[in-house]
Amino acid sequence: GENVEQHPSTLSVQEGDSAVIKCTYSDSASNYFPWYKQELGKRPQLIIDIRSNVGEKKDQRIAVTLNKTAKHFSLHITETQPEDSAVYFCAASTPNAGKSTFGDGTTLTVKP
Amino acid sequence: DVKVTQSSRYLVKRTGEKVFLECVQDMDHENMFWYRQDPGLGLRLIYFSYDVKMKEKGDIPEGYSVSREKKERFSLILESASTNQTSMYLCASSRDRVDGYTFGSGTRLTVV
Repeated sequence: GENVEQHPSTLSVQEGDSAVIKCTYSDSASNYFPWYKQELGKRPQLIIDIRSNVGEKKDQRIAVTLNKTAKHFSLHITETQPEDSAVYFCAASTPNAGKSTFGDGTTLTVKP
Repeated sequence: DVKVTQSSRYLVKRTGEKVFLECVQDMDHENMFWYRQDPGLGLRLIYFSYDVKMKEKGDIPEGYSVSREKKERFSLILESASTNQTSMYLCASSRDRVDGYTFGSGTRLTVV
């Protein structure tokens, strides 16, 4: 089955800096890659996603890039703010599996 | 606003009890999922369902069963609760097999 590895497990940045979280996946058939943000005590929420027919997608301060050849994708957050502090999960979905496989999460702390 | 509703936010049960966790979605989604979330272990899939009366085992199905009699409702059943099933349980749904998830707020279950 699919295996997703996520790095780093923790990330601390100063407010205004950029943050990058990286994930690798194993199944070349995976074609959908969502990212979720989970604030403390709250549910995970989908913040951005990318499908395998594009290499990059941007939404205001967040962007996701996908390298299908290398089987890795990354989340980029620019101009970080304290409210970006949360746990971020990447995931990969394979059509036949009918489910997403999640990375273990990255705890991002943005220091004011 | 689309919603996934879990019936209980906090639940305390005794060892050996049969426990029902209920999840209802109002988005007419085909797919529903049950995850448990434990510190340091990320999101682990217990069971999922892609249609009424259909179910698939996830990564950690032992000690659990599920029921999906109606499209909008997906129940997780702990046949005989044990202390190692103390956890946060998250329900999710998605429109398509390869699509983003909407999560419920979670049920924090404590088995004593």
